[in-house]
Amino acid sequence: DGGITQSPKYLFRKEGQNVTLSCEQNLNHDAMYWYRQDPGQGLRLIYYSQIVNDFQKGDIAEGYSVSREKKESFPLTVTSAQKNPTAFYLCASTPPGPGQPQHFGDGTRLSIL
Amino acid sequence: AQTVTQSQPEMSVQEAETVTLSCTYDTSESDYYLFWYKQPPSRQMILVIRQEAYKQQNATENRFSVNFQKAAKSFSLKISDSQLGDAAMYFCALYNFNKFYFGSGTKLNVKP
Repeated sequence: DGGITQSPKYLFRKEGQNVTLSCEQNLNHDAMYWYRQDPGQGLRLIYYSQIVNDFQKGDIAEGYSVSREKKESFPLTVTSAQKNPTAFYLCASTPPGPGQPQHFGDGTRLSIL
Repeated sequence: AQTVTQSQPEMSVQEAETVTLSCTYDTSESDYYLFWYKQPPSRQMILVIRQEAYKQQNATENRFSVNFQKAAKSFSLKISDSQLGDAAMYFCALYNFNKFYFGSGTKLNVKP
């Protein structure tokens, strides 16, 4: 079955350390997105990519970086510049065509040690 | 700017009863799409319903229906015959210019 795979499910980061969250999809979708979700809040957009080798900043891109070298993969790096990285991170992709609903991965929970 | 507002942080409904979740949004565009997503305790995001702004007819999916008022920029979700499995966070979302904008969510409790 096609879908979006996020790994790991849980991740712990030490102070000053960069960590990378994986997002892989086999849905053949061009558009991919990264969101951050804090307790009791909605989803906030970190980065998104409409096509390979191109991506745009979302509303809260500071302290994060991404790459899109392959259509299937859109990894997110949480850098040491992100001072409050503890959150739940969701990756999503969208089929072609206007207003298509997003497909989501199961998320990664990042915590600071 | 695009914004989505859900003014009810938490709501409760008795099993088998009907409940309506509110959502208002702001956009200067005439062509956009609206969604309701459900996030159960597993935290998986599940699409509930989708509405195209240029369609006046309200979308329905089984027990779920919307009341789309374009002029008022309102997009409420009605859940009929509520079931215990409906307990979750519900997010309203607006799609415009390749981006999705989410509200802060409404936590729905279902009482047996």
